[in-house]
Amino acid sequence: AQKITQTQPGMFVQEKEAVTLDCTYDTSDPSYGLFWYKQPSSGEMIFLIYQGSYDQQNATEGRYSLNFQKARKSANLVISASQLGDSAMYFCAMKGAGSYQLTFGKGTKLSVIP
Amino acid sequence: DVKVTQSSRYLVKRTGEKVFLECVQDMDHENMFWYRQDPGLGLRLIYFSYDVKMKEKGDIPEGYSVSREKKERFSLILESASTNQTSMYLCASSLITGVDNEQFFGPGTRLTVL
Repeated sequence: AQKITQTQPGMFVQEKEAVTLDCTYDTSDPSYGLFWYKQPSSGEMIFLIYQGSYDQQNATEGRYSLNFQKARKSANLVISASQLGDSAMYFCAMKGAGSYQLTFGKGTKLSVIP
Repeated sequence: DVKVTQSSRYLVKRTGEKVFLECVQDMDHENMFWYRQDPGLGLRLIYFSYDVKMKEKGDIPEGYSVSREKKERFSLILESASTNQTSMYLCASSLITGVDNEQFFGPGTRLTVL
C-alpha cells in the first residue's frame, strides 16, 4: 500500500519569497514516481513537476523544484519567488511501478500575501 | 495539448435520481480515471479503466458504476444519487502505465444532491 502525507493544511508566504511545501511518502515499491499538482480555485488540477525514484538529481521546472530525499522518504516542493497566482491547493501524489493509480495526499492550501 | 473535458461544471440533482457524468479526452490515452474530491480528504479514486470495456474498482466504488464503450469516453454513473455523493468529481487520463506518466485532469464537476 502507498501513502502520502502532507502535514501542512495551510500556509502563507509573502510575495516574491520562497516557500517549501512538505510531502512524505511510504511505499514498498522499489520503483515509483512522485508528482506535484496545483489546483487553483477554478478546480482544474495542473501538473507541476515529476521525480522518479531512481533519478539522481532533483527535478526542476521553472520556479518549481523538488527536494527529493529518498532515505527520508520526502519529496518537498519548493516554489521560488512566489507570485499572487501561486495561491492554490497543492497536492503531492505517487505511483508505483506497474500501478495504474495515483495516490494523493490531502493537500496544502497556499496563500500568497501581497 | 492534452484536453480532458467533462460534460458539466455544475450539476444539481435530487435524491434517487440516476446521474451520468461524462468525460472525454482527445489524446488517445489508454487509461482513464474518476476521482471524487472532498475537503480534507484529498482525491480518492472511484474507478479506472485501462482499455475499452475494461474497468477496475478504486478505493471507493460503492454507489457508483462506470462505462467505457469508446477509448476517448469514460462515464461515471450514480445509479441512485444520495446526499453523501455531493462532491467534486474529477476525471483524468494518462498513457499506458509507467511511473513517469502524469495524469491529465478535466475541469471537474461540482455535483450537489438535494
